[in-house]
Amino acid sequence: GENVEQHPSTLSVQEGDSAVIKCTYSDSASNYFPWYKQELGKRPQLIIDIRSNVGEKKDQRIAVTLNKTAKHFSLHITETQPEDSAVYFCAASMGFNKFYFGSGTKLNVKP
Amino acid sequence: DAGVIQSPRHEVTEMGQEVTLRCKPISGHNSLFWYRQTMMRGLELLIYFNNNVPIDDSGMPEDRFSAKMPNASFSTLKIQPSEPRDSAVYFCASSSQTVSSGNTIYFGEGSWLTVV
Repeated sequence: GENVEQHPSTLSVQEGDSAVIKCTYSDSASNYFPWYKQELGKRPQLIIDIRSNVGEKKDQRIAVTLNKTAKHFSLHITETQPEDSAVYFCAASMGFNKFYFGSGTKLNVKP
Repeated sequence: DAGVIQSPRHEVTEMGQEVTLRCKPISGHNSLFWYRQTMMRGLELLIYFNNNVPIDDSGMPEDRFSAKMPNASFSTLKIQPSEPRDSAVYFCASSSQTVSSGNTIYFGEGSWLTVV
């Protein structure tokens, strides 16, 4: 089955700096790659996603890039703010199959 | 849309008792997932239904765990008998999956289970 690896497990940045979280996947059939943000005590919520026919997608301060050849995708957060502090999960999916989640990255944005 | 609805939100039970967690997926979604989240193991997929049929239950930890989806708008996850190591947050999620492509899955608020 699919194997999704996520790095780093923790990331600490200064407010205003950029943060980058990287994920790799193993199954080339995976075609949908969402990112979820989970605040303490809350449920994971979708923040951005990308499909395999697109290389990059942006939404304000958040962007995701996908390299199908290398089988990796990344989340980029620019101009980080304290409210960006949370655990971020990447995932990979290929349709009528499981969603495979990464192990999560705890982002701490220091004011 | 009310989103994925789970109950109870919090439950504290004694070891050996039966626990039943409930989930109502988003109307129109054809896939339902049960996840367990702990600090040690992160988000684990327990079981996955498509069109009310269990597709993959390889994540169910033991025979003490069972899940059903009698219709498109209701699912249960049962633990009998419960043990302290079952303490976790149990998330239900739903999605509209197609044969060829994944789609966003939406999580419920979670059921926080503590077994003492």
